[in-house]
Amino acid sequence: GEDVEQSLFLSVREGDSSVINCTYTDSSSTYLYWYKQEPGAGLQLLTYIFSNMDMKQDQRLTVLLNKKDKHLSLRIADTQTGDSAIYFCAEWGTGANNLFFGTGTRLTVIP
Amino acid sequence: NAGVTQTPKFQVLKTGQSMTLQCAQDMNHEYMSWYRQDPGMGLRLIHYSVGAGITDQGEVPNGYNVSRSTTEDFPLRLLSAAPSQTSVYFCASSSILMAVETQYFGPGTRLLVL
Repeated sequence: GEDVEQSLFLSVREGDSSVINCTYTDSSSTYLYWYKQEPGAGLQLLTYIFSNMDMKQDQRLTVLLNKKDKHLSLRIADTQTGDSAIYFCAEWGTGANNLFFGTGTRLTVIP
Repeated sequence: NAGVTQTPKFQVLKTGQSMTLQCAQDMNHEYMSWYRQDPGMGLRLIHYSVGAGITDQGEVPNGYNVSRSTTEDFPLRLLSAAPSQTSVYFCASSSILMAVETQYFGPGTRLLVL
């Protein structure tokens, strides 16, 4: 299957910006996604970006896509303690009928 | 709407036992899927269904069976549990295949196989 990679941990101070990075392998992916998983809960879709876009902004969230480098990032502005969670990037694999998920990045926000 | 519900929330099995993880949705979604989540590995697709009577294998189907007799329900069966199946299992549904913007996940079932 496709390979989607993320760093496992990130710590930031409350009020700072968080940047979570992801690299993927399928250059023909049409959609790329960010999910949030709070403790003991399922995944919640945060945002997604079409492959023909470079950037998407949604309130405090900014998604940047570099197709040449197959690099996706999620920036959270003014990070709050409620943003502490695991964040997964995912791509829809070409020719497959499913999402391929990264390993997840555990974001810890320090008050 | 209850969304996607899963039962049980937690289960302990002995090696060789069988069990069924239940998943139900009340949104009339055609597409349903099962994932397992393991530490450091993200989520991996086990089986999926694009409608009643239609199922297909995902990335890691071995050791699991599914059926889809109704639109609402998509149970996952472990025929002979193994310690390697210790994981957290998530069911998801969406209106159609690839409609990820309408995909909903259940709260998960945590399974421990001894």
